[in-house]
Amino acid sequence: DAKTTQPNSMESNEEEPVHLPCNHSTISGTDYIHWYRQLPSQGPEYVIHGLTSNVNNRMASLAIAEDRKSSTLILHRATLRDAAVYYCILSLFSGSARQLTFGSGTQLTVLP
Amino acid sequence: DTAVSQTPKYLVTQMGNDKSIKCEQNLGHDTMYWYKQDSKKFLKIMFSYNNKELIINETVPNRFSPKSPDKAHLNLHINSLELGDSAVYFCASSPHPASSTDTQYFGPGTRLTVL
Repeated sequence: DAKTTQPNSMESNEEEPVHLPCNHSTISGTDYIHWYRQLPSQGPEYVIHGLTSNVNNRMASLAIAEDRKSSTLILHRATLRDAAVYYCILSLFSGSARQLTFGSGTQLTVLP
Repeated sequence: DTAVSQTPKYLVTQMGNDKSIKCEQNLGHDTMYWYKQDSKKFLKIMFSYNNKELIINETVPNRFSPKSPDKAHLNLHINSLELGDSAVYFCASSPHPASSTDTQYFGPGTRLTVL
């Protein structure tokens, strides 16, 4: 099974950029890299996804290594509302469906 | 408008009881899921339905039975509740089951406590 490895926790100061790393050394050529986050007492929410090229959206940027064995989620200016658990996930095919296999994620603390 | 809703938000019950959790999505998606998040915060998929048909069934005890009356609803019925069933249960939906780019939309969760 392709799996991901993330640091258990990270801290950032408010209004500074945050780089959340993820290793996925066993990724296959067709696996997309997805990032979700879970705010306290809420369900996970989608952040961003990508395959090979770097991606940007209104929430974050995703930088993918050339060999695709690692990626970094970038929050350009962290706010207190960004404090959450961030999950890096590979979308794997199981039977007739793709499923998200969540790991333990990175708990991001944002300091005022 | 709530995209994925679950009821109830909290459920406290005794061991051995039977209970149901309901989920509805108004996104027009074909696929719905149930996930379980235990006390250590690991989120694991339990079931997935596509157009009322079961397509993912992870190793979940037979006491758990999902039911999809239509593609907008996926309910979870649990028989003979056990202490270990205490967790937060999340419902989710996505447009298609096999697309590698589809986003899943999660509900707010149902916190089940078995006493």
